[in-house]
Amino acid sequence: DAGVTQSPTHLIKTRGQQVTLRCSPKSGHDTVSWYQQALGQGPQFIFQYYEEEERQRGNFPDRFSGHQFPNYSSELNVNALLLGDSALYLCASSSPGLAGDDTQYFGPGTRLTVL
Amino acid sequence: AQRVTQPEKLLSVFKGAPVELKCNYSYSGSPELFWYVQYSRQRLQLLLRHISRESIKGFTADLNKGETSFHLKKPFAQEEDSAMYYCALSGFIGGNEKLTFGTGTRLTIIP
Repeated sequence: DAGVTQSPTHLIKTRGQQVTLRCSPKSGHDTVSWYQQALGQGPQFIFQYYEEEERQRGNFPDRFSGHQFPNYSSELNVNALLLGDSALYLCASSSPGLAGDDTQYFGPGTRLTVL
Repeated sequence: AQRVTQPEKLLSVFKGAPVELKCNYSYSGSPELFWYVQYSRQRLQLLLRHISRESIKGFTADLNKGETSFHLKKPFAQEEDSAMYYCALSGFIGGNEKLTFGTGTRLTIIP
């Protein structure tokens, strides 16, 4: 099991553009959470998807949206990119029903640079 | 509102010396506290969580509700402990809930 995978590794966009980031959860996990990590900061919760629905949301504008597919993989979309959206975007997967292991496992992240 | 504070951005300790990474939190309910670690060129991974009461790689952390702290300790530092450490809080018992992270402490072990 490769664990949580994310694509692409790096991405460069310009202001005003739109971006889609992808995440495949760890085998057996059905819940995906997305975090934004700005330089020098800790990860900040964006939202969480479970059963193809947004279950929890952090303090991020509507420009940030997501989707979860039937195979539990997930996408994060950001519209009208701003310079301040430049960050490392982390995906974490977990499983509420997995007895004894409801830990969030993190992917390697996607580094987004907005010019 | 949930908040996690890690007062030290950088911490340098000699090999063999004790280590303590500080974490204070703010939350009105009964949170679950975690320590995550990120070694060089590796992904963020769970080190320990307070409900499991385990010692992982020689590290321990005790939840002090009176002082709202969850400091990470190790009696004898090793070079492989050099890493970035993040304290995190969940508003519910159960690691599946959203996590609120501190800003992290970079620990460097001096040989």
